[in-house]
Amino acid sequence: GAGVSQSPSNKVTEKGKDVELRCDPISGHTALYWYRQSLGQGLEFLIYFQGNSAPDKSGLPSDRFSAERTGGSVSTLTIQRTQQEDSAVYLCASSLRAGDSYEQYFGPGTRLTVT
Amino acid sequence: KQEVTQIPAALSVPEGENLVLNCSFTDSAIYNLQWFRQDPGKGLTSLLLIQSSQREQTSGRLNASLDKSSGRSTLYIAASQPGDSATYLCAVRNTGFQKLVFGTGTRLLVSP
Repeated sequence: GAGVSQSPSNKVTEKGKDVELRCDPISGHTALYWYRQSLGQGLEFLIYFQGNSAPDKSGLPSDRFSAERTGGSVSTLTIQRTQQEDSAVYLCASSLRAGDSYEQYFGPGTRLTVT
Repeated sequence: KQEVTQIPAALSVPEGENLVLNCSFTDSAIYNLQWFRQDPGKGLTSLLLIQSSQREQTSGRLNASLDKSSGRSTLYIAASQPGDSATYLCAVRNTGFQKLVFGTGTRLLVSP
């Protein structure tokens, strides 16, 4: 079946603009995760959703970052007033449910470049 | 705070060699450990998942071991092939948390 999809695959934006990144999880997966992969910091957790609620937002780096999920499916990660240090690959993953035994499946990522 | 380290950072071997990638973690209260591969410009592909109660998992030419008490895992790749060239990441999930904490990665190059 279809895997996790993300759009756009690449995004170039000017410093100070807002961007929205989209994630479509595997059908039927109730848990959804956002991670960021940057050269200096490696791969870091941002936030996860179980259904439409976000029990853990501890990885969001600043209040410029927010995410929402509606209908228990698609999620949008929004970065306001982008800065150059926001340049990274943003990865989304989903799992059947949040829980210790459930494997996370990753999408191809969105490469964000802030100029 | 969990920290995950992978050694070596990069590895170059000729085709056919057996090789070992290492992963160490500072907090042994993990629920499971996962090995991924990442190809340039692509997402992560899960290779093996080891639960904390297990000692090893095998899939084809891959074998992953886990020693939770010492905070170590190894990924053994037998008879390496050029198609194995990729970055390999290990990630742990601490008990009670949903997020994965990733290692720094090992970039593997297998030459024909």
